[in-house]
Amino acid sequence: AQTVTQSQPEMSVQEAETVTLSCTYDTSENNYYLFWYKQPPSRQMILVIRQEAYKQQNATENRFSVNFQKAAKSFSLKISDSQLGDTAMYFCAFMTAYSGGYQKVTFGTGTKLQVIP
Amino acid sequence: DAGVIQSPRHEVTEMGQEVTLRCKPISGHDYLFWYRQTMMRGLELLIYFNNNVPIDDSGMPEDRFSAKMPNASFSTLKIQPSEPRDSAVYFCASSLNRGHHRETQYFGPGTRLLVL
Repeated sequence: AQTVTQSQPEMSVQEAETVTLSCTYDTSENNYYLFWYKQPPSRQMILVIRQEAYKQQNATENRFSVNFQKAAKSFSLKISDSQLGDTAMYFCAFMTAYSGGYQKVTFGTGTKLQVIP
Repeated sequence: DAGVIQSPRHEVTEMGQEVTLRCKPISGHDYLFWYRQTMMRGLELLIYFNNNVPIDDSGMPEDRFSAKMPNASFSTLKIQPSEPRDSAVYFCASSLNRGHHRETQYFGPGTRLLVL
């Protein structure tokens, strides 16, 4: 079974600064997908960024980027130029890329990020 | 695209009553997922469908919970009878198993359920 660990229950960052959220996972699979989802106070789950394990290049979406270390099974999220709207719970998620489309996702327990004005 | 639509957004009911949650996936998506989120247990997958067929319902907590997907654009999650410990936010998500964003699940706004 796959596990996803987010060791930082809460973090804070000053507005305009950079923050990194950590995530580690455990799997015996070689092909898989990793995701970061954001859940603001509205409770909506919003996809932030995704990474395919077979890609060596780290995914980037505007101010959000990941540091994917496959050998270390680490998938951290870096938020640059933090904005007040980034205040949310962030979930790391893992999905094995089985052929045939089996799509069960395992979520971490989340990191609550507070951006301070 | 309207995204995943869930109704109702909030539901307050009394113990023993039947509760039905509804979901409309993104048009064209072939996977649909039901999740439950609580403070104690985090985000749990309850069941998911592929092309309207239930694939994995191992996360359904007990027989009081049932889910159906009569067609590609509609699914329900029913709790009968409801209990206070069922209070949670229930999310529906959908995904498409092809194309650039394959295997990415898009979530609805959730239904916040409170059972008194």
